Amino acid sequence: EDKVVQSPLSLVVHEGDTVTLNCSYEVTNFRSLLWYKQEKKAPTFLFMLTSSGIEKKSGRLSSILDKKELSSILNITATQTGDSAIYLCAVEGGSNYKLTFGKGTLLTVNP
Amino acid sequence: GAGVSQSPSNKVTEKGKDVELRCDPISGHTALYWYRQSLGQGLEFLIYFQGNSAPDKSGLPSDRFSAERTGGSVSTLTIQRTQQEDSAVYLCASSLSSGRGNEQFFGPGTRLTVL
Repeated sequence: EDKVVQSPLSLVVHEGDTVTLNCSYEVTNFRSLLWYKQEKKAPTFLFMLTSSGIEKKSGRLSSILDKKELSSILNITATQTGDSAIYLCAVEGGSNYKLTFGKGTLLTVNP
Repeated sequence: GAGVSQSPSNKVTEKGKDVELRCDPISGHTALYWYRQSLGQGLEFLIYFQGNSAPDKSGLPSDRFSAERTGGSVSTLTIQRTQQEDSAVYLCASSLSSGRGNEQFFGPGTRLTVL
């Protein structure tokens, strides 16, 4: 059975801190790993990673995939209160392209 | 449309009643997915459509759950004889097609509460 594990489950930091969120996976026929941010209801897409070692960057957020270690990290630098959300990691694989999600990391950024 | 839309946004029902949840995917997206998110849990895959056919129904938790998609667009998830454990947020997502590199875009979800 496909599995995605995220750590930590929750994290509280102060504005300006840098955080690293972790995601590890076990999935057959790996195709891609995706990061989403969920603030209220709909997860919003952040990154899709398919190749190992290539960092994807968007503003203060960056992510990288390590296929050898079957893991990915999401970095957020100079955190702001607006970064407070659940960050979901999902892996696309199997025979029908479904996403298997981890339970998420709840990030709280205090002023 | 501009994004994935779902209706209703909230639904409260009594145990034993049937409910229908609707999803309108992004125009032109051929793949459509249903997920369920219970309190404190990650998203749980339910079913996936490519066009009007559902190649993967493996996530449907019981035979009380069914889904259909017509015209390659709108999808309806039906839960018959609802139980309290069905209470969750039901999320729909769509992508251009089911294939590598097609990220899924999510709707706002339907929060279902079964009393």
